[in-house]
Amino acid sequence: EAQVTQNPRYLITVTGKKLTVTCSQNMNHEYMSWYRQDPGLGLRQIYYSMNVEVTDKGDVPEGYKVSRKEKRNFPLILESPSPNQTSLYFCASSPERGAYNEQFFGPGTRLTVL
Amino acid sequence: GQQLNQSPQSMFIQEGEDVSMNCTSSSIFNTWLWYKQDPGEGPVLLIALYKAGELTSNGRLTAQFGITRKDSFLNISASIPSDVGIYFCAGRAQKLVFGQGTRLTINP
Repeated sequence: EAQVTQNPRYLITVTGKKLTVTCSQNMNHEYMSWYRQDPGLGLRQIYYSMNVEVTDKGDVPEGYKVSRKEKRNFPLILESPSPNQTSLYFCASSPERGAYNEQFFGPGTRLTVL
Repeated sequence: GQQLNQSPQSMFIQEGEDVSMNCTSSSIFNTWLWYKQDPGEGPVLLIALYKAGELTSNGRLTAQFGITRKDSFLNISASIPSDVGIYFCAGRAQKLVFGQGTRLTINP
């Protein structure tokens, strides 16, 4: 089954404790992206990657890191999480950057930073 | 920067009623997309619009790409309980921008 998977689905952590949210897709997509969803703000892009070893900042990159060592995986790293990073995070992939209509979203990771 | 204003923010309707929501912007977009997010899930694409004035249907859903390229609307006819969720518009020019979402609640 073609899908985007994220782990964990739920995470409660404390300020400053490094964490990684994994994202994996099995559709051989070049383009992958991370979003955060906050009430009243919709989805805002954090980082995106157009292909292996190619990453770039989205609209709200501060406090986040990403890596793209393999085509299928695009982990989101919070080196020192803070309470304002409490949010619902979505990973998405598409065959190419221009094909936003084919963007597939993962199920989401709800993160709480205390 | 590019911003989208989506309205209404929430809707409470009776089953069987029609629904209408829209997105507007001060910027011009080349593509308009409409997504639905079910509780506990990620957004799923409903309709994609690529040309100004385009009117596209997907079952009970109809969406239009505004002629000015600065707005789009989504209509749902004869709502049913499974239509509950959050609906997002998204516009693309140089990048993809999402609206704030419309939360739809249906009373049976």
